Amino acid sequence: GDSVTQMEGPVTLSEEAFLTINCTYTATGYPSLFWYVQYPGEGLQLLLKATKADDKGSNKGFEATYRKETTSFHLEKGSVQVSDSAVYFCALSDQVGTDKLIFGTGTRLQVFP
Amino acid sequence: SQTIHQWPATLVQPVGSPLSLECTVEGTSNPNLYWYRQAAGRGLQLLFYSVGIGQISSEVPQNLSASRPQDRQFILSSKKLLLSDSGFYLCAWSKGVDTEAFFGQGTRLTVV
Repeated sequence: GDSVTQMEGPVTLSEEAFLTINCTYTATGYPSLFWYVQYPGEGLQLLLKATKADDKGSNKGFEATYRKETTSFHLEKGSVQVSDSAVYFCALSDQVGTDKLIFGTGTRLQVFP
Repeated sequence: SQTIHQWPATLVQPVGSPLSLECTVEGTSNPNLYWYRQAAGRGLQLLFYSVGIGQISSEVPQNLSASRPQDRQFILSSKKLLLSDSGFYLCAWSKGVDTEAFFGQGTRLTVV
């Protein structure tokens, strides 16, 4: 079945460092792809999304490009801040008649000043 | 505007006791509804999802069941809790593919 694989964390960075969190997926159709973020003590919220190949989602300085050829949707940010410390989840929306949302295991990001 | 309510926020239950967690959505109709479990170090696992009243799909064999008695109500249940049922349970809704999912605040369940 469909699945999402994320790099294991925690990812530990200094403020202003470059961030990459890898995400690859397996799907039978052409899913939409999402990044969700969970800040400490809060619920999950959508960070960005892309609905078709070569689309780039962006929000709050984060970007991710839907790469069909490599089945990837890596999250990047050029300069992280302490306030970006959170758990990041990659997800896909199954389009083959089920509307399921499949999440990866999450990657914890810790940014130090 | 749409809101999602999930309760209780925390719950401590003995092994073998029953469970009922409730989730309701306001401000939308015919949403897709989801129950997830977030176990420590294991990410977000899809337990059940529903695309309509009485339509429940189970993703993993387990000690839990789900029901959707009304369009915007989704209930997670167990007849007899196990220690392994401990975790953080999240309810979510969406309007379908390509759309954002909105999550409740979660229920921290501890089975003792």
